[in-house]
Amino acid sequence: AQSVTQLGSHVSVSEGALVLLRCNYSSSVPPYLFWYVQYPNQGLQLLLKYTTGATLVKGINGFEAEFKKSETSFHLTKPSAHMSDAAEYFCAVSLTNFGNEKLTFGTGTRLTIIP
Amino acid sequence: KAGVTQTPRYLIKTRGQQVTLSCSPISGHRSVSWYQQTPGQGLQFLFEYFSETQRNKGNFPGRFSGRQFSNSRSEMNVSTLELGDSALYLCASSLADGGEQYFGPGTRLTVT
Repeated sequence: AQSVTQLGSHVSVSEGALVLLRCNYSSSVPPYLFWYVQYPNQGLQLLLKYTTGATLVKGINGFEAEFKKSETSFHLTKPSAHMSDAAEYFCAVSLTNFGNEKLTFGTGTRLTIIP
Repeated sequence: KAGVTQTPRYLIKTRGQQVTLSCSPISGHRSVSWYQQTPGQGLQFLFEYFSETQRNKGNFPGRFSGRQFSNSRSEMNVSTLELGDSALYLCASSLADGGEQYFGPGTRLTVT
């Protein structure tokens, strides 16, 4: 079984400041990890993913995340927030077993950018 | 390449009715998954289909069912609708096992 915990349901940062959204996971097997973004009245868009290999993953829109196995974390960061980053962000985990496409999501973090 | 499409985008139904939602995956994608999103429960996995077979199922009552056609298009059906079924229903498709899932815009179902 797997689960995801996102610390902070709401995060506010000033425009130009560092964005840090926290995600911790638990998984019985090595996981695949994802960050998705959702804008109002839209579906989910993949920001980045970790499967294997390099633990620092770069995604779209300047976001990146680091897989830390010892801390079971996959925090999302962006050096400088932009107004367009305001959205809801979801961390998700899936198992690496073939034939298992189920994504387990965290509860989401709503990011507000302060002008 | 066209993305995942879902129809209809918005739907209003009455308690006790049934509803069918449709999802067309990205061309070449054979896996289709369905998720329910509500403010209270968040994003929850409903089921996943691959090559017309249900491979995985979430913890939802039997009123929720689905199917996949030979062209990978998928439908989900909810019978005997309840107020609590009001939600955004998201469909996602993926190319291969363990591959990233691409989401459609969702169908917003309101049950009155």
